[in-house]
Amino acid sequence: QQQVKQSPQSLIVQKGGISIINCAYENTAFDYFPWYQQFPGKGPALLIAIRPDVSEKKEGRFTISFNKSAKQFSLHIMDSQPGDSATYFCAATGTGANNLFFGTGTRLTVIP
Amino acid sequence: EAGVAQSPRYKIIEKRQSVAFWCNPISGHATLYWYQQILGQGPKLLIQFQNNGVVDDSQLPKDRFSAERLKGVDSTLKIQPAKLEDSAVYLCASSLEAGRYGYTFGSGTRLTVV
Repeated sequence: QQQVKQSPQSLIVQKGGISIINCAYENTAFDYFPWYQQFPGKGPALLIAIRPDVSEKKEGRFTISFNKSAKQFSLHIMDSQPGDSATYFCAATGTGANNLFFGTGTRLTVIP
Repeated sequence: EAGVAQSPRYKIIEKRQSVAFWCNPISGHATLYWYQQILGQGPKLLIQFQNNGVVDDSQLPKDRFSAERLKGVDSTLKIQPAKLEDSAVYLCASSLEAGRYGYTFGSGTRLTVV
């Protein structure tokens, strides 16, 4: 059973545009929601994370929006750049969980 | 701070052969994880160690996979015998706190079973 559902599977955005990736979860015990960025041949690297006590967290061009009632969270990449081209994974964990549950990933391509 | 080291980077073996992967976590990280990442999918946890002990191995195919973490530092993951469906990237990660902060992944070992 997929604990975290992620969409879209792939995304193509023009340079300067906004990239939006969505995730949904079912387990209400989840209380930590990180996003990871993975370049080819590398392991996933933590990009930004949020707790459910806030609805939004911004770090530079990256913003997480969190909707607790809908059990959804999303990653927004503003002013997308070709260097942002990578695979992005959402994840979640919470009380009673020992590890992160990952989404299936979104392959982002930013066209110059 | 040195990252999580893994070796080898690539491995090609024939089905039914055995293979072993090595991981050295970040110094001081008590929690170590092995993940399997099949092409186009997210990482799936295989096994989690807290120091020397196994915390979770519920997703580990124990008939063919084994892992150990001696002295609470380095870890090895072994597959014997390998199947075609084991072709994947095997990622090692470590963290300060189980399941949460400081999760750092290595670059992984890409296994191809032919």
